[in-house]
Amino acid sequence: NAGVTQTPKFRILKIGQSMTLQCTQDMNHNYMYWYRQDPGMGLKLIYYSVGAGITDKGEVPNGYNVSRSTTEDFPLRLELAAPSQTSVYFCASSPTERGIEQYFGPGTRLTVT
Amino acid sequence: GNSVTQMEGPVTLSEEAFLTINCTYTATGYPSLFWYVQYPGEGLQLLLKATKADDKGSNKGFEATYRKETTSFHLEKGSVQVSDSAVYFCATGNQGGKLIFGQGTELSVKP
Repeated sequence: NAGVTQTPKFRILKIGQSMTLQCTQDMNHNYMYWYRQDPGMGLKLIYYSVGAGITDKGEVPNGYNVSRSTTEDFPLRLELAAPSQTSVYFCASSPTERGIEQYFGPGTRLTVT
Repeated sequence: GNSVTQMEGPVTLSEEAFLTINCTYTATGYPSLFWYVQYPGEGLQLLLKATKADDKGSNKGFEATYRKETTSFHLEKGSVQVSDSAVYFCATGNQGGKLIFGQGTELSVKP
C-alpha cells in the first residue's frame, strides 16, 4: 500500500493563479480531509468528506473548493490564489469515524507571491 | 466545540533526559485523545491514542494517560533519543470524524 499520496510536493504560484492539489489514498477509506499548517500553528481543517459525492466545510474553507467523485481521490482546488494561502497542505484519510485515527500524506508546500 | 492546549516549545533536552509535554483539553462528552508526531519534512503520524478515561496509550517508549479529572493527556518518555527530535501534536476528536489539533510542540534532543 502506498497509503496517502499528494502531488505536487512544492509549488510557487503568482497571486490570482489557480491550481489543484491532488490527494489519493489506496486504503479504501471513506473519510478524507484537507488541512493547512501555518508556521508555529497546529493544523486547521479546510474541507472533509465522509464518502464519494459528499463533502463539507471545515474551519477555514474560504478560497478553496473540493470534490469527491471516487473513494480514492480528494482534490483541493485553489481559485485566485492569495498570499494568505501560503502554507503547507496535508491530506489525510480515515477508515471510520470511530477512534478517528487519521493517516496523513507527506504534504504540499505552497508559496503564493 | 472541543479544543486542545499544549505546552509551547521549543523544548530542548539532552539525550536520555525525561520528557513531558503537557496537553489539556476541553470537550463535551468523552472524545478520543491522540498524540501525533511530525518528523522534519514529513506528514503527521499517529504516535498513540486513548479512547476512554484512564486509558493509557503507549508506543515507542512514549506514554500518555487519559485523565478525565484534570482534562489532561500529557505525553511522557523516560529517556529521549536524538531520533525523537520532531514536532508533537496533541489532538482530540470531534463530531463527524474530525480532529482538533493543538499548536504543536517542537522537541530537539541533543547528543
